[in-house]
Amino acid sequence: DIQMTQSPSSLSASVGDRVTITCRASQDISNYLAWYQQKPGKGPRLLIYAASILQSWVPPRFSGSGSGSDFTLTISNLQPEDIATYYCQKYNRDPIFTFGPGTKVEIK
Amino acid sequence: QLQLQESGPRLVKPSETLSLTCSVSGGSISSNDYYWGWFRQPPGNGLEWIGSINFSGDTFYNPSVKTAVTISVDRSQNEFSLMLNSVTAADTAAYYCARVTRVTVFSRARYYYYIDVWGKGTTVTVSS
Repeated sequence: DIQMTQSPSSLSASVGDRVTITCRASQDISNYLAWYQQKPGKGPRLLIYAASILQSWVPPRFSGSGSGSDFTLTISNLQPEDIATYYCQKYNRDPIFTFGPGTKVEIK
Repeated sequence: QLQLQESGPRLVKPSETLSLTCSVSGGSISSNDYYWGWFRQPPGNGLEWIGSINFSGDTFYNPSVKTAVTISVDRSQNEFSLMLNSVTAADTAAYYCARVTRVTVFSRARYYYYIDVWGKGTTVTVSS
């Protein structure tokens, strides 16, 4: 089984900072990776798919990169509304899913 | 624009059955390109996948809940449902339905799946 690790588990940054979250796969998963955002008290939303393609609602300060086994989610200019937990998840061969603890982003 | 809306009782007694329905609007549930999933998140905890179903009724269940769960689909109503039997306080959670999209990778002759649309969720409390 391919294992996914995400780091850091939490971070605190100032408004305007550049924030980077890393996701690593134990094997090559090409670009079969999605990022989700879950704001406090809300449901998750798809943020990025195919490692780097932003959903239409996502502000351009968000970006995703990577291929193979190393992936990055970057928020270039952190805003208060970006407070959320962010999850990376690889695509699966079957419609079954497991979730890691994600990265909790807070404002300093 | 596809939307999913969960509905059902917010309060369920211990040992009874939790029943939720996900109504799909803005698109058809009857497509080979999708599965439809149920997820939950206990208060303060992480997300847990419960199970997935396609329009033909093919299902995948999380082994941790498999014996207690039934997911069904009603194509005529464009909705799918979750039944969780013999609930306990541990089943108290926010429940989400979602669309699972199938990606065809021709070079590998494979399908891959990821979650692309989520419902807003509904909180269910198990308590007497």
